[in-house]
Amino acid sequence: DTAVSQTPKYLVTQMGNDKSIKCEQNLGHDTMYWYKQDSKKFLKIMFSYNNKELIINETVPNRFSPKSPDKAHLNLHINSLELGDSAVYFCASSNGGVVTGELFFGEGSRLTVL
Amino acid sequence: QKEVEQNSGPLSVPEGAIASLNCTYSDRGSQSFFWYRQYSGKSPELIMSIYSNGDKEDGRFTAQLNKASQYVSLLIRDSQPSDSATYLCAVNTGNQFYFGTGTSLTVIP
Repeated sequence: DTAVSQTPKYLVTQMGNDKSIKCEQNLGHDTMYWYKQDSKKFLKIMFSYNNKELIINETVPNRFSPKSPDKAHLNLHINSLELGDSAVYFCASSNGGVVTGELFFGEGSRLTVL
Repeated sequence: QKEVEQNSGPLSVPEGAIASLNCTYSDRGSQSFFWYRQYSGKSPELIMSIYSNGDKEDGRFTAQLNKASQYVSLLIRDSQPSDSATYLCAVNTGNQFYFGTGTSLTVIP
């Protein structure tokens, strides 16, 4: 079983459209994250959810909205897509509250906005 | 965004040599430090974690941490072509993980 799974792996869409990426983890972790990785490989944190509560939002445009129906799922919805949204989006999870916990990543979802 | 800085490289070393990767961080409250390896088109995978000052060795990999200097490094001994990847330094501050920009390593056979 995949520990952190994301769907879809690839999205190609037009500017102005709305899209969602789903993420599920079966590790029993308390904290889930969304990261954006640009073409230069920089991993930027977007959101962090701990037990379904948003605990950080690093100046991400409000076109991006995370939704967590339960602590095993963290979905990302993006409205009015722009060219600059093209990137790979990684979902990750960790043992929230445990200092020594590591991040486990999903396989990534490559979004291309045309 | 908390600052985590890495030499972006690219870094090239011959097979069998030692590769040295460096990382500095700005937040003195950082508690845990990680090195991730990322192959092209793949997700990052953890290769080393370190939490206290000093060295930590795991096979061909050694992580070094100096909290006073806010510096963490990764040494890869006997480098292999399969080590060619981007190496990402990550710092855990208050259960948030911040990444450096990565160092691209190429091991030349």
